[in-house]
Amino acid sequence: DIVMTQSPDSLAVSLGERATINCKSSQSVLYNSNKKDHLAWYQQKPGQPPKLLIYWASARESGVPDRFSGSGSGTDFTLTISSLQAEDVALYYCQQYYSPPPTFGGGTKVEIK
Amino acid sequence: EVQLLESGGGLVQPGGSLRLSCAASGFTFTSYAMSWVRQAPRKGLEWVSAISGSADSTYYADSVKGRFTISRDNYKNTLFLQMNSLRAEDTAVYYCAKVDPPGYSYGYFGSWGQGTLVTVSS
Repeated sequence: DIVMTQSPDSLAVSLGERATINCKSSQSVLYNSNKKDHLAWYQQKPGQPPKLLIYWASARESGVPDRFSGSGSGTDFTLTISSLQAEDVALYYCQQYYSPPPTFGGGTKVEIK
Repeated sequence: EVQLLESGGGLVQPGGSLRLSCAASGFTFTSYAMSWVRQAPRKGLEWVSAISGSADSTYYADSVKGRFTISRDNYKNTLFLQMNSLRAEDTAVYYCAKVDPPGYSYGYFGSWGQGTLVTVSS
């Protein structure tokens, strides 16, 4: 199974500042045939199901604010919140869908400093 | 608008069985694989099982293989998870999720239900 490792486990950022979450896969999730990284990001608020933010490593889901962006390729990926808002307090997970079984990172908790 | 509504969770004794259902609407059900993803209390997300849109292929995590069975009724737009020989470690919120993009059995999860809690305890 591909192991997804997120860092940090938690971070506290001031309102309006940048938050950066890292995700590393134990093997490349770049599919050569379509040149796409099979990597997604989710946001989960307390008591709610996860919500898809980013897929194909950098494609923003419809309706997701443009302060959320995904980058990276191969084994190293980043989710960036360019200007943290109060409503962004949540857990964030990365997930690979390159190779079965789909696997998730352990999550990163984002809080307000 | 995509809607996924799970039901069937509850308290069950170790070794017992439970059947979860997920009623889907707002999309062409047969065009999408569907999955179950679970989350143990205060833990992360774990993929459990998936089924292709036509129901001709099923997939399971090693942790549930041989105990859980995924199925779907494409006439009633409903997904199921039959859970047998339940263990304490199966205690979790079980989410039904639509697999994107269409045609992928292993993809990202574009839509999620609200989840149903399964508690395995004596």
